[in-house]
Order: sequence, then C-alpha cells, then structure tokens
Amino acid sequence: GEDVEQSLFLSVREGDSSVINCTYTDSSSTYLYWYKQEPGAGLQLLTYIFSNMDMKQDQRLTVLLNKKDKHLSLRIADTQTGDSAIYFCAESMSGGATNKLIFGTGTLLAVQP
Amino acid sequence: DVKVTQSSRYLVKRTGEKVFLECVQDMDHENMFWYRQDPGLGLRLIYFSYDVKMKEKGDIPEGYSVSREKKERFSLILESASTNQTSMYLCASSFGLAGGPSGELFFGEGSRLTVL
Repeated sequence: GEDVEQSLFLSVREGDSSVINCTYTDSSSTYLYWYKQEPGAGLQLLTYIFSNMDMKQDQRLTVLLNKKDKHLSLRIADTQTGDSAIYFCAESMSGGATNKLIFGTGTLLAVQP
Repeated sequence: DVKVTQSSRYLVKRTGEKVFLECVQDMDHENMFWYRQDPGLGLRLIYFSYDVKMKEKGDIPEGYSVSREKKERFSLILESASTNQTSMYLCASSFGLAGGPSGELFFGEGSRLTVL
C-alpha cells in the first residue's frame, strides 16, 4: 500500500530538541519532504532530501534518511514555541504525466514554554 | 510570492447538495492537486491535473469530480454531498514535475466543509 506513517503527537519543552519520525513505503522515491502546517494555514515546504543522501542540515533542521529501513526523521534543535505545528513527511511517487506526493498522517508538535 | 487562493474558507451544506470548491493559482503552474485532510489520516489525494482539461484520479476519487478549463483554476465538485465528506479540503499547485526540487507544492489555506 501507499502508507506513510508518523506518530500523531510529540510534546517537548522550549529549548529541547525535537525528533519527528516517519516511515515510507516506496523505495524508488527520488525525493522525500517535510512540510509544516501552522494553525489555520495550508502546508509549507520546510525541507527536502534527495534519496541518495543520508543527511541534510539546514540551520536548526537536520534530516536523516535510512533507505534500508525506509525511515526518515526530522530533528529540530533548540525548539521554540513558534515551531508548534503539524509536521508532515511526504514521498514522491510516479503518477503518470507528473509525480504525486503521498503524505503521512502528520505529527502535532506541541512546544511547552 | 506564489499565491494559491481557495474561494471559501468555511462552507456548510446539506446532504445531497452539489458543492463546488474553487482554487486559483497565480504562478502559471502546470500541476494542480486536491487533497482532503482528516485528523489521524493526514492528507489524502483526491484528484490532480497536469494540464488544462487533463485530470487523474488520486487515492480517494469516489464521490468527487474535478474541472480544469483554464490553467489557473482547478475546481473540486461534490455531485451529492454526504456527511462523510465533511473535511478540510486543500488545493495545491506545482511547477514542473511534482516531486523534484522544482516541484514544491504550494498550498492554499484550505476550505473547511461541513455536510449536515
């Protein structure tokens, strides 16, 4: 099937690191993504990783990819209250004339002050 | 900035009514998508379109249809709304091959539909 799975909820204290995990299904996915959804808004791309990479770092964000286990994680260092949001991982799949993104269930990150 | 605009933020409809959800993007993107978002289920793809008058079924097309008469506009149609279609509907667009660095999805703010 095309299930991309995430845990539903994560609570951390401000200043701590957050780690959001995701397992995906299609080993041929070329790109894997993390999107962020703030309350009352649509999704925005946070970062992505190409499938031939193991790690990508972008300021406070670190993405780790384990292709063997089809496991993707997003680490947010020094988590702030403004990081409170729902985080979705997504994998790209061929959809004919274009690709389509298959999204995970989303992880609600709650940052306690 | 890319802007994806969904015509209605909140709608309340009755069972059996025909519902139109409109989406317009202003960046000349080829690809447009309709997802629905439900708690615990994430985003599920309903339909997508890679060109004018072209459409492809996503993972949950039953009960929905779409229309893309102009490049910038992608409409989602519920022919006869049912209570299990109560959900948040998200429209997105992308340039080029979705799923690559140039294929970032840009989302609208969503339309929350309640079917009574």
